Amino acid sequence: GAVVSQHPSWVICKSGTSVKIECRSLDFQATTMFWYRQFPKQSLMLMATSNEGSKATYEQGVEKDKFLIYHASLTLSTLTVTSAHPEDSSFYICSSRTSGMSAETQYFGPGTRLLVL
Amino acid sequence: AQTVTQSQPEMSVQEAETVTLSCTYDTSESDYYLFWYKQPPSRQMILVIRQEAYKQQNATENRFSVNFQKAAKSFSLKISDSQLGDAAMYFCAYSTNAGKSTFGDGTTLTVKP
Repeated sequence: GAVVSQHPSWVICKSGTSVKIECRSLDFQATTMFWYRQFPKQSLMLMATSNEGSKATYEQGVEKDKFLIYHASLTLSTLTVTSAHPEDSSFYICSSRTSGMSAETQYFGPGTRLLVL
Repeated sequence: AQTVTQSQPEMSVQEAETVTLSCTYDTSESDYYLFWYKQPPSRQMILVIRQEAYKQQNATENRFSVNFQKAAKSFSLKISDSQLGDAAMYFCAYSTNAGKSTFGDGTTLTVKP
């Protein structure tokens, strides 16, 4: 099946700094990518939908100025956590799909663990 | 808004036995997709099985099968001949045609040798 990578796999940063997470579809073009946040032993919460060539669509309650999403190309979307604080510590997961796929096909990255000190 | 409910936070099964994980959902749409995902300790989300709402036939994938009851908005997962490698957190998910997904809170499955 298709492969989605995320980089870095884990990151530790100081409070107040910004952290960028990359999500890449390695063997297919992804016109749409999704960003999720997951706390330990909890569900995945959709943060935003990233569409190539247009602005990201954020879910209610997600600060767009805090979590900057940029769909740089058909294979890359980035999530930047700006001025990170300890409460932003979480596991961030991306997933990818293309317009050629039915909605039933979505591929997940391995996730990025963020710890803000 | 769509909601997905998994009423069993934890389940356990004896190796080689059968276990059923429950999932209910709420939606006003008629066309959608349902999924079961497995998340092992590595936290990589793995697709277990999918079901298109317009299909009446229940999906099966080897030892995994679903009982899809559209009118009741129920989507349970049956794992037959459970193996130690099946131990993981299982998420039920609903997806719109645009791929936007809503996940349940998950069920932690323990497989006893």
